[in-house]
Order: sequence, then structure tokens, then C-alpha cells
Amino acid sequence: QQPVQSPQAVILREGEDAVINCSSSKALYSVHWYRQKHGEAPVFLMILLKGGEQKGHEKISASFNEKKQQSSLYLTASQLSYSGTYFCGTEANAGGTSYGKLTFGQGTILTVHP
Amino acid sequence: DAGVIQSPRHEVTEMGQEVTLRCKPISGHDYLFWYRQTMMRGLELLIYFNNNVPIDDSGMPEDRFSAKMPNASFSTLKIQPSEPRDSAVYFCASSFGAGPYEQYFGPGTRLTVT
Repeated sequence: QQPVQSPQAVILREGEDAVINCSSSKALYSVHWYRQKHGEAPVFLMILLKGGEQKGHEKISASFNEKKQQSSLYLTASQLSYSGTYFCGTEANAGGTSYGKLTFGQGTILTVHP
Repeated sequence: DAGVIQSPRHEVTEMGQEVTLRCKPISGHDYLFWYRQTMMRGLELLIYFNNNVPIDDSGMPEDRFSAKMPNASFSTLKIQPSEPRDSAVYFCASSFGAGPYEQYFGPGTRLTVT
């Protein structure tokens, strides 16, 4: 089942902050965040694992609430280059074993204006 | 290092024709994923391989779709016969290890079936 992202779209001015949320009905092993610019491939931003471990770019921050199966991506002091569609990909908790099988949300379109 | 390579980048074909999409993963990566992206269904995982062996093909929509990975540096996704509803962008991604490792996406193949 596809995770649900909110909001569907966000419009910002440079320097403003935004939060993108991802919610799943399944128990999760990990949450992955990707950004995709128009006509390009998705690019990795961050992975959050149950237990609190995170891997990703230093300038990106995110959280993972294991009890609620929710993750949030925090974009602070936005830049024009942050524009794009943000996807969360969730991996269900298969008894503690991870295989990289991701189910992606429908995406959140972020537009940053000068 | 070269990233994930996909060919062709664009394919236009007529309904009923066979289509073969190709992917070369990043050298040393042992997982390979095939995704399909459409406006209606978003980014969907079709099948993935570990060490050239198909692990999960539950996302393959129909028997018309098949995928192979004859060696560590090459994979194909074949559609036969193709239908207009197969029109989408098909991405190949690879990772070193499963689960909590980032997936590197190729540039995608935009398939149009008329």
C-alpha cells in the first residue's frame, strides 16, 4: 500500500522553510527520501531507519516516528535549487530483514520562487 | 565513475510491437531495480535482482513484461506485445547492498506506445 504524502504541493520564497510528511499504514523498516527535478531521475536525499539511524546529506534533516509510521522532511532556508518533486519511499518491516523493496508516495511538488 | 546507464532514452513504438529496455548498473553494485513512473500510478517497483537473480517480481503488471539479468553489468526489461497503457518512463536503479543503502537511478527510458 502506497504511503501518503502531505502536502501535495508547496510554494515558497527563497529563505522560507517547509515540512513534507509521509505516512504509512504498515510497520516500517526504513524511510527513504528522494528529489526529482522535471525530466530527470530521482536523486537520493536521506534514509531513516528504525532505531534512529540516519544516512544522508548533511544539509537535509528528517525525522522518523516509528510508533506512528510517519516521517517528515525538513527543508530550511530554501534555495531555488530545492524546487522539484519530493518522494518518500517506504520499506515494510519484514522481520528485521531489509531487501530495498520500496513503495513510493505520490510525491510533493515544491516550488521555490526568488 | 559512470552512473547507471539506460538505453534507449526515448522509444516510440506501435501497439503490438516488442520493446526491449536496457540497463547497465554501477560497477560493483549487487542490487538492480526496475521502476515505472506514470502520472496516474506514480513510481512503481516492477522487479529487482540481487547478484543477477530475480528476488521479487510481484510488481510486474502482466505476463507481457519480462526481465532478465544475464550478468552483473547488464539487465533488460522486455514488453511483448506492447500496449498504449505501457507508455511511461522506465527507470533502472542500482545499489550496493539492499535496504538501508541509497539507490542510484539511471536517466530513464521514456516509452510511448501508439
